[in-house]
Amino acid sequence: DTGVSQNPRHKITKRGQNVTFRCDPISEHNRLYWYRQTLGQGPEFLTYFQNEAQLEKSRLLSDRFSAERPKGSFSTLEIQRTEQGDSAMYLCASSLSTGSGYTFGSGTRLTVV
Amino acid sequence: GDSVTQMEGPVTLSEEAFLTINCTYTATGYPSLFWYVQYPGEGLQLLLKATKADDKGSNKGFEATYRKETTSFHLEKGSVQVSDSAVYFCAHLPNFGNEKLTFGTGTRLTIIP
Repeated sequence: DTGVSQNPRHKITKRGQNVTFRCDPISEHNRLYWYRQTLGQGPEFLTYFQNEAQLEKSRLLSDRFSAERPKGSFSTLEIQRTEQGDSAMYLCASSLSTGSGYTFGSGTRLTVV
Repeated sequence: GDSVTQMEGPVTLSEEAFLTINCTYTATGYPSLFWYVQYPGEGLQLLLKATKADDKGSNKGFEATYRKETTSFHLEKGSVQVSDSAVYFCAHLPNFGNEKLTFGTGTRLTIIP
């Protein structure tokens, strides 16, 4: 088990373009989370899946953002019509049970120019 | 709402100094409490956790005790090393089914030889 894997590590895109990030959680973990971290801040919750069901979405997740976990394994986070304010580190995490804490991936750093 | 407040940085210490990073929280009920560490260019790693009052989490020489009466979870280490230089995040997870980890803003620690 190699932990939580995120791809790509870095993404530079022009404003208005669409981007998609992928997260592969630890295989036996049924919960998967997306967070966003801006410079100098702590991670902020975006959304959470239990198996393939998306159970909660933050108000931070505007209509331009969509996340999927079609088979309850890997997940994708898509941002449409990117804006400069979307520049951040996007972190994925997974967990097996409530209260056990998450295992985070190394993140995808998005820069919108 | 739920929140985590932690000591603002940056904190700079000499090697072998004693470290304290303060963390207090507001939450409904009795959440689980965590300290995560983020090394440059990497994702967050779980450092230690405590799931109920008076529990002490410990790892790699770091300790933190869950204090219900003061709603605190201060991180301590008796003798820091240069390799401890990183950003440290305090976080809590409610115990009533909400899966959202709430993080503090992080404290950047730099240890000088």
